[in-house]
Amino acid sequence: NAGVTQTPKFQVLKTGQSMTLQCAQDMNHNSMYWYRQDPGMGLRLIYYSASEGTTDKGEVPNGYNVSRLNKREFSLRLESAAPSQTSVYFCASAAWGLAGDDYEQYFGPGTRLTVT
Amino acid sequence: LAKTTQPISMDSYEGQEVNITCSHNNIATNDYITWYQQFPSQGPRFIIQGYKTKVTNEVASLFIPADRKSSTLSLPRVSLSDTAVYYCLVGDRGGKLVFGTGTRLLVSP
Repeated sequence: NAGVTQTPKFQVLKTGQSMTLQCAQDMNHNSMYWYRQDPGMGLRLIYYSASEGTTDKGEVPNGYNVSRLNKREFSLRLESAAPSQTSVYFCASAAWGLAGDDYEQYFGPGTRLTVT
Repeated sequence: LAKTTQPISMDSYEGQEVNITCSHNNIATNDYITWYQQFPSQGPRFIIQGYKTKVTNEVASLFIPADRKSSTLSLPRVSLSDTAVYYCLVGDRGGKLVFGTGTRLLVSP
């Protein structure tokens, strides 16, 4: 049981290049999230998916697109990278706890993206 | 989405109890309050969640007054390993979950 995995761990892009960040979870969770975290700052929600086939914008969706390929995978695409998108990107999935009382998010290790 | 306000930073010493308060004046009826912990270079980790009154688990307690416009995370007898950033989230479980700016806790010997 790997939890939430993200690839790649590190990436350097030039301005204008595109790339897709991959996220997968093996916990059979319905909800998945993409956040970005700038140095010294909190996390900001980019996109959210409540279930397979559905996505919704978060606080900072501009410049990003997402795809909920299936229940396991939720990818984030940067079509034309900009230096302002330099950040650490975290993917998370969420579900009710074993006792059914708590709703918990489980985070991946993050992707560190630098756009020059 | 309810906005949260937390202190930017707090300092403590090993063995002390630490209380971090979060303000969420426009919390909605369906919203729950959740706290996460984040260490450098790692994703956040769930600590505790509650709706009203008091919730306690093996690592922390969460106090929520009747009006639910604030909440307090209580960490008993902190150690150096509790040095981290603590986030308060308010939202409808199963929906969008938005993090605030967090509180940086520094525990010293």
